[in-house]
Amino acid sequence: DAKTTQPNSMESNEEEPVHLPCNHSTISGTDYIHWYRQLPSQGPEYVIHGLTSNVNNRMASLAIAEDRKSSTLILHRATLRDAAVYYCIINMLTFGGGTRLMVKP
Amino acid sequence: DTEVTQTPKHLVMGMTNKKSLKCEQHMGHRAMYWYKQKAKKPPELMFVYSYEKLSINESVPSRFSPECPNSSLLNLHLHALQPEDSALYLCASSGAGHSGNTIYFGEGSWLTVV
Repeated sequence: DAKTTQPNSMESNEEEPVHLPCNHSTISGTDYIHWYRQLPSQGPEYVIHGLTSNVNNRMASLAIAEDRKSSTLILHRATLRDAAVYYCIINMLTFGGGTRLMVKP
Repeated sequence: DTEVTQTPKHLVMGMTNKKSLKCEQHMGHRAMYWYKQKAKKPPELMFVYSYEKLSINESVPSRFSPECPNSSLLNLHLHALQPEDSALYLCASSGAGHSGNTIYFGEGSWLTVV
């Protein structure tokens, strides 16, 4: 299974954009890249996913490198409610360590 | 309705008890999953059911026994657990057969083994 590598934690100021990176150098050609986030004492929540092209939805944008070995989750304007652990996952079989995002008011 | 419902939310059981965790979804999904999550760790996949058949067992000890009675229900039967099995157990579901399908998670069942 493809493995992912994410920074343990990141900090952002409220209302500023946040770029959360993920490396997945062993990804195969048919593997989708998923991003989920998890608030304390809750189940993971879907954020976005993609295969090759960049993707946008109401929550975030996903930028996928041309070689697909890395991707970046972009929150355009961080709010306090975005403070969570963000997981980059390949094929939903193996979660990476996740990035704990802290948002400062 | 994009909801996965798990019961009970909290369970305390002794090491000799037999109990079950239950999961239900009505989204027409044909893939269902059990994950285990220890504190401050990412979820770990335990089992995957596809079209009511067990398709993935991540070398989970036999004291955990999954069951998929129909396409909407998924159970996890627990017997002779150890204190180290205490964790959050997450159920999830998705469309089957495509790794690009969105997976929907329940809120989890908090299990404490005493």
